[in-house]
Amino acid sequence: SAVISQKPSRDICQRGTSLTIQCQVDSQVTMMFWYRQQPGQSLTLIATANQGSEATYESGFVIDKFPISRPNLTFSTLTVSNMSPEDSSIYLCSVRSDTQYFGPGTRLTVL
Amino acid sequence: GESVGLHLPTLSVQEGDNSIINCAYSNSASDYFIWYKQESGKGPQFIIDIRSNMDKRQGQRVTVLLNKTVKHLSLQIAATQPGDSAVYFCAENNTGRRALTFGSGTRLQVQP
Repeated sequence: SAVISQKPSRDICQRGTSLTIQCQVDSQVTMMFWYRQQPGQSLTLIATANQGSEATYESGFVIDKFPISRPNLTFSTLTVSNMSPEDSSIYLCSVRSDTQYFGPGTRLTVL
Repeated sequence: GESVGLHLPTLSVQEGDNSIINCAYSNSASDYFIWYKQESGKGPQFIIDIRSNMDKRQGQRVTVLLNKTVKHLSLQIAATQPGDSAVYFCAENNTGRRALTFGSGTRLQVQP
């Protein structure tokens, strides 16, 4: 199994600002992902965070809006840039080891 | 409380009854399936998984059934308890795509 922590757990931000979310895993993993869960919705994949190379983004998500870093096999960051109220969501870090595990999420509210 | 599950279909059962949560998937190439439980304010928690070479797998109080012919997955929870109240998601994967694709979710409410 894998234990995942995220910081911050929640935040309230002003429109136009940026927030960086951190994800830490207790073991080295190759596959790390970022998901978004909008209010009352299911999970949508934002991107796959690749160690040592640029992240792979899903359709509808771009690097300028959601830059991702993956400096090593246990850590990643997701930045939500130039935020608007539509970015209010839960952002979830996920890793693949024997199966796929999720962090506790970061609950973002944009005013 | 958190807003996860506000607009999801709801299954309401009595404590002690068995629950069956269903999920349809569309990708015939999917070969790995997972059920997750998400409680209010928390991330999805792994419950049980099944690979496409199986049609049934059992865990503690839970059973997953896979019908590849009609692309249907179900989660059975025996003797449902109030602590089982949560939103349940199915997720699918295929070897050509390493990330999971999630279903829309079902909220399970257990009445004491």
